[in-house]
Amino acid sequence: KNEVEQSPQNLTAQEGEFITINCSYSVGISALHWLQQHPGGGIVSLFMLSSGKKKHGRLIATINILEKHSSLHITASHPRDSAVYICAVSFYNTDKLIFGTGTRLQVFP
Amino acid sequence: DTGVSQDPRHKITKRGQNVTFRCDPISEHNRLYWYRQTLGQGPEFLTYFQNEAQLEKSRLLSDRFSAERPKGSFSTLEIQRTEQGDSAMYLCASSLLGDEQYFGPGTRLTVT
Repeated sequence: KNEVEQSPQNLTAQEGEFITINCSYSVGISALHWLQQHPGGGIVSLFMLSSGKKKHGRLIATINILEKHSSLHITASHPRDSAVYICAVSFYNTDKLIFGTGTRLQVFP
Repeated sequence: DTGVSQDPRHKITKRGQNVTFRCDPISEHNRLYWYRQTLGQGPEFLTYFQNEAQLEKSRLLSDRFSAERPKGSFSTLEIQRTEQGDSAMYLCASSLLGDEQYFGPGTRLTVT
C-alpha cells in the first residue's frame, strides 16, 4: 500500500467548475505539500501545511490531521489550471518528500 | 535569485555509458534533494544533503549511483554503467531546513 494515495487519478472539468482533489496518507507526518506539474516537467510548490487551511488566490488547501486526509480545491477553474497536481508528505526526522502518483486535471473552455 | 538550475536538460546516452548531472540550488538553501520520476508516476526520493553532508540515501540508489555536494553548494549525481531502466526525469530541489522545496526543471535521461 502506498503511503500517499490520491483521488481521482484523472479529472476533466468545464471552465468555471469547482474542483476537489483528495489525498490520504497512512503515517504520521510533519507537513503535507501540494505541488503542480505542467507538461515538460517543472514542479511548483503550491502549499505546505501541517494543520487547518490555507488559501492562495483561487486555490484552497485543507488538512485533517486526525483523519490523515487533505483536499485541494480550485474555485472558478480555468483552462490554465490544467496540470498534474501532486500530494506529498514530509516527516519530522527528515524533509524528504514521499509523493502520491498525481491527479491529471484538464479544464476545457 | 534565479531559482534552482539543472544541467543538462536532456541527455541521451548508450547503455553502459556513465553520465553526470549537475544541480545548482538557491544560494542560501542548506538542503538539497534528488528525486527521480518515470512517466506517469510521482517522483521518488533518491538522496538528500544538508550542506555537504549526505544524510540519507534511498534503497533505489544502487551502487551505480553516487551523489556529491562537495562545498555545500552545487551537487552532482553520477550514474555509472547506465541501464535502460535508468531512463527517467531526474529532479533536484532545494530548501531551508523545514521549509518548502523549490524544484529545478529536471534532467531527462534517455538510455538507448
